[in-house]
Amino acid sequence: QSVLTQPPSVSAAPGQKVTVSCSGSSFNIGKNDVSWYQQVPGTAPKLLIYDNDQRPSGIPDRFSGSKSGTSATLAITGLQTGDEADYYCATWDIRLSPGPVFGGGTKLTVL
Amino acid sequence: EVQLVESGGGLVQPGRSLRLSCAASGFTFDDYAMHWVRQVPGKGLEWVSGISWNSGSIAYADSVKGRFTTSRDNAKKSLSLQMNSLRAEDTALYYCTKDRRPYGGDSGDAFDLWGLGTKVTVSS
Repeated sequence: QSVLTQPPSVSAAPGQKVTVSCSGSSFNIGKNDVSWYQQVPGTAPKLLIYDNDQRPSGIPDRFSGSKSGTSATLAITGLQTGDEADYYCATWDIRLSPGPVFGGGTKLTVL
Repeated sequence: EVQLVESGGGLVQPGRSLRLSCAASGFTFDDYAMHWVRQVPGKGLEWVSGISWNSGSIAYADSVKGRFTTSRDNAKKSLSLQMNSLRAEDTALYYCTKDRRPYGGDSGDAFDLWGLGTKVTVSS
């Protein structure tokens, strides 16, 4: 059981917007930056968002991140079938191992 | 090409050892901290270990501390994970990953490059 809580699944139609939440506490999200990763089934994770709201080069601006208090949110607009994947949030928890902790993941289905 | 390629996975009996390797190319390897992240099939991601750019600091998850050892050879652009006293719960796909920011420590930054992973199965 992760200290970061994500909904198991979300879904939306092509072209629509979807959000994925990541809920934590003052020990993790409340104190540290959040990253988001996309993992298409059968492939390695890919960095989508770092430092809460920054996109690496090559990531389209359809993907955006935000953080407020002890929660973070990934938003995807203009949904495409290729966006079907698992999405993971990550940050550091001051009570746990020195490395990052990951959320349990959210499966996005594009209807 | 910028890439990480893991190797060394396989089937091993409980209590035995295995050594994973990761070959880096296409970027200045010795500028970046490197990490191992694992994933049980069908499950989430778990950070395993990280090593700073100059091997000055190395950190481990509690679940592997005392059993796993991470090292790097900057001249050979390679990262290694020596896994001893393996348990069934170590069964996973092991990814080699790279910090996004240079000169980071062992606790990691966002991971902007991942290998394809190498599969480790611990079973009798």
